[in-house]
Amino acid sequence: EPEVTQTPSHQVTQMGQEVILRCVPISNHLYFYWYRQILGQKVEFLVSFYNNEISEKSEIFDDQFSVERPDGSNFTLKIRSTKLEDSAMYFCASSVLRESNTEAFFGQGTRLTVV
Amino acid sequence: DAKTTQPNSMESNEEEPVHLPCNHSTISGTDYIHWYRQLPSQGPEYVIHGLTSNVNNRMASLAIAEDRKSSTLILHRATLRDAAVYYCILSRSGAGNTPLVFGKGTRLSVIA
Repeated sequence: EPEVTQTPSHQVTQMGQEVILRCVPISNHLYFYWYRQILGQKVEFLVSFYNNEISEKSEIFDDQFSVERPDGSNFTLKIRSTKLEDSAMYFCASSVLRESNTEAFFGQGTRLTVV
Repeated sequence: DAKTTQPNSMESNEEEPVHLPCNHSTISGTDYIHWYRQLPSQGPEYVIHGLTSNVNNRMASLAIAEDRKSSTLILHRATLRDAAVYYCILSRSGAGNTPLVFGKGTRLSVIA
């Protein structure tokens, strides 16, 4: 069964450093998403991406965040200057169509720890 | 945004059916009802979705009330592997498309 893969599974970084979280969506999918989940809290939407541009973003997705599809397979989330409160699980997801009438496939996540 | 209300937790015996309720009294005509679940230490996993009619798939059934103000996810025979947090989510199609917005969900415990 096709799956969304995320690397690394765990990343530890120092406060103020830049991190790039990587995702390989399912190959024929057109819509890509990033979500995050702080320990013990809800899964929060960050951003959706279609046709090489951001289609929606939440209040959380401020100037320190950016997304990119640098080639035909990867989808990345960059956090420019990490803060302690960025520590969370980050989930990438993809779907064939817009998520309203289709299933979104989620990766296993990257656990980001900012120290 | 249309919101959903779910019980915080439910418990079921293994191999028994489970009915997970969800209220969405402010649902609009273009809102799809989605169910996702999150097993411990994993990413969310799609379960089922529907618009107006009841839906069945290999994982579960979705029963949608006639007025669409509530729905019920039915697991026909709970297994220990079904222990997870279950999220009922409304997602709007068309011009006002909205992303999946996860609430707190219902934590389902399955007892052997």
